[in-house]
Amino acid sequence: DVKVTQSSRYLVKRTGEKVFLECVQDMDHENMFWYRQDPGLGLRLIYFSYDVKMKEKGDIPEGYSVSREKKERFSLILESASTNQTSMYLCASQPASGYEQYFGPGTRLTVT
Amino acid sequence: GENVEQHPSTLSVQEGDSAVIKCTYSDSASNYFPWYKQELGKRPQLIIDIRSNVGEKKDQRIAVTLNKTAKHFSLHITETQPEDSAVYFCADAGGTSYGKLTFGQGTILTVHP
Repeated sequence: DVKVTQSSRYLVKRTGEKVFLECVQDMDHENMFWYRQDPGLGLRLIYFSYDVKMKEKGDIPEGYSVSREKKERFSLILESASTNQTSMYLCASQPASGYEQYFGPGTRLTVT
Repeated sequence: GENVEQHPSTLSVQEGDSAVIKCTYSDSASNYFPWYKQELGKRPQLIIDIRSNVGEKKDQRIAVTLNKTAKHFSLHITETQPEDSAVYFCADAGGTSYGKLTFGQGTILTVHP
């Protein structure tokens, strides 16, 4: 059974803080993704990675960066959090050989 | 980039009725179309998918149809039950050989007992 975990379910940060969101998967999947989910906007891709130390911009990368030092771990970094980054953040993993994405439980981030 | 439009944004039905959610896509090379269900407070999970070489796929009470000419695909749920209440997302993989998905805006389905 695929397991994708995220470091926090709820997080409250102040404007200007550096924020780290971590995602870990235990199925040896090559591909990992970070999305943000906002009502009426669906799931929007921030960044994705096809291999260790590889990263690709998604549709809304501005204000975010990522790190993938190990295959099982994909981190999303908000360099200087702003109130418009208040959102639900979802991580997903995917095997290189397939299309199905397996999601983590999400982190609801509030920036005040 | 690829664009996926999903309608309606909300759908309310009585238990036992059918529900239909529609999505249109822009990339004519798109070849894979999944549907994800997200129950309240839970993570999205794949419920059914279809590839471009078939026009319809069924799995018990759910089915997906694909019209490549018109570039749209639909999710059909028959004999709806209260546990079908959730947010449903369509997606498409574009014409790429890797797994990047573009998601629709989501449909909140409410099934009234």
